[in-house]
Amino acid sequence: KQEVTQIPAALSVPEGENLVLNCSFTDSAIYNLQWFRQDPGKGLTSLLLIQSSQREQTSGRLNASLDKSSGRSTLYIAASQPGDSATYLCAVRQIEGGSEKLVFGKGTKLTVNP
Amino acid sequence: SQTIHQWPATLVQPVGSPLSLECTVEGTSNPNLYWYRQAAGRGLQLLFYSVGIGQISSEVPQNLSASRPQDRQFILSSKKLLLSDSGFYLCAWKKQETQYFGPGTRLLVL
Repeated sequence: KQEVTQIPAALSVPEGENLVLNCSFTDSAIYNLQWFRQDPGKGLTSLLLIQSSQREQTSGRLNASLDKSSGRSTLYIAASQPGDSATYLCAVRQIEGGSEKLVFGKGTKLTVNP
Repeated sequence: SQTIHQWPATLVQPVGSPLSLECTVEGTSNPNLYWYRQAAGRGLQLLFYSVGIGQISSEVPQNLSASRPQDRQFILSSKKLLLSDSGFYLCAWKKQETQYFGPGTRLLVL
């Protein structure tokens, strides 16, 4: 059974700092990995998607990497801003018996202090 | 562009009462649709997914059910709510490889 773990559970940093969020998964047979952002009381917003054959994806100040063989992904946020404060979730997509599903971690709650 | 709607946004229901949450998608056809639940201190849990009208797959056995009466409509139901059904319910659809989520319904069962 796939398990996704995100460390740390919470992180507080001063504005302007570069930071890394970690995600690990137990079964490397994934189809892709997706990073989401969730603001309090809101739905999820997709940030980046990395296919299993890719090593990284970039969007603006965000860079996500994937090392499938070791079951790890990182989300790098450059020059953090207070508006980056949110919970960040990673999810891996698996295909089993013709059906597919996303398995989520519990998230990292990020606070960027002005 | 595609948008996804959920209603109601918030719901407070007594234990034992019925439930009906609705999700609709605009701007696409024949989407894969998903219902997730996010409970306090826990990750998102996939409840149901649907690849087409009338086609529902259940991931977790429980007192909830789902239906897809129309291509872009996905309904989550219960005949009798339990306290443990409280949580944040999210509907999602998939375009190519990316999953997009609705705004969610917060359900409190008292």
